[in-house]
Amino acid sequence: QKEVEQDPGPLSVPEGAIVSLNCTYSNSAFQYFMWYRQYSRKGPELLMYTYSSGNKEDGRFTAQVDKSSKYISLFIRDSQPSDSATYLCAMSEGGGYQKVTFGTGTKLQVIP
Amino acid sequence: GAVVSQHPSWVICKSGTSVKIECRSLDFQATTMFWYRQFPKQSLMLMATSNEGSKATYEQGVEKDKFLINHASLTLSTLTVTSAHPEDSSFYICSASVSSGFSDTQYFGPGTRLTVL
Repeated sequence: QKEVEQDPGPLSVPEGAIVSLNCTYSNSAFQYFMWYRQYSRKGPELLMYTYSSGNKEDGRFTAQVDKSSKYISLFIRDSQPSDSATYLCAMSEGGGYQKVTFGTGTKLQVIP
Repeated sequence: GAVVSQHPSWVICKSGTSVKIECRSLDFQATTMFWYRQFPKQSLMLMATSNEGSKATYEQGVEKDKFLINHASLTLSTLTVTSAHPEDSSFYICSASVSSGFSDTQYFGPGTRLTVL
């Protein structure tokens, strides 16, 4: 079993829809949770960063962490065609970026 | 946000040759740089962490004699794939940060696609 599981998609939604992206994990020691957006043939870009459980909101993006279920989510409201990208979840026990485990990414397509 | 560049963006080489990939932080001093490899439909995998002026720290399973990393200045790190083989074909991405800790943002480069024939 992989430490971090993420559905690869692709996930296609109409413009304006609410998108839910999810990851599950097996390591209960993970404390730091990140979401990255990666456009085709580009490097990842950090979207959201959460420590421990709870919700965090930034504009149209909301990150949720449920440590009891080992489940994290990223919600995108009012999705736009420019949101079309691959979204990577990532998590860490701590100790800096060299200790981060990435998911395989979910490809999202927002159709105008 | 800060900008990290990589050069070249893509490269095709023959088996047995060496390829050098440059990673530059354009508007900040990157004490720490990271090199990742990403195979299709697989996770981003850290290969090594380098601090300016020090030897790189390689992850388990990554051959340090094959993947030579030099972090000679606060704005430049290079990855040299020596004696490349087709199985080294992948997307190589660098990232840079003021430090390796989460208090400092990590900025990724656009990646270099390496194809070894």
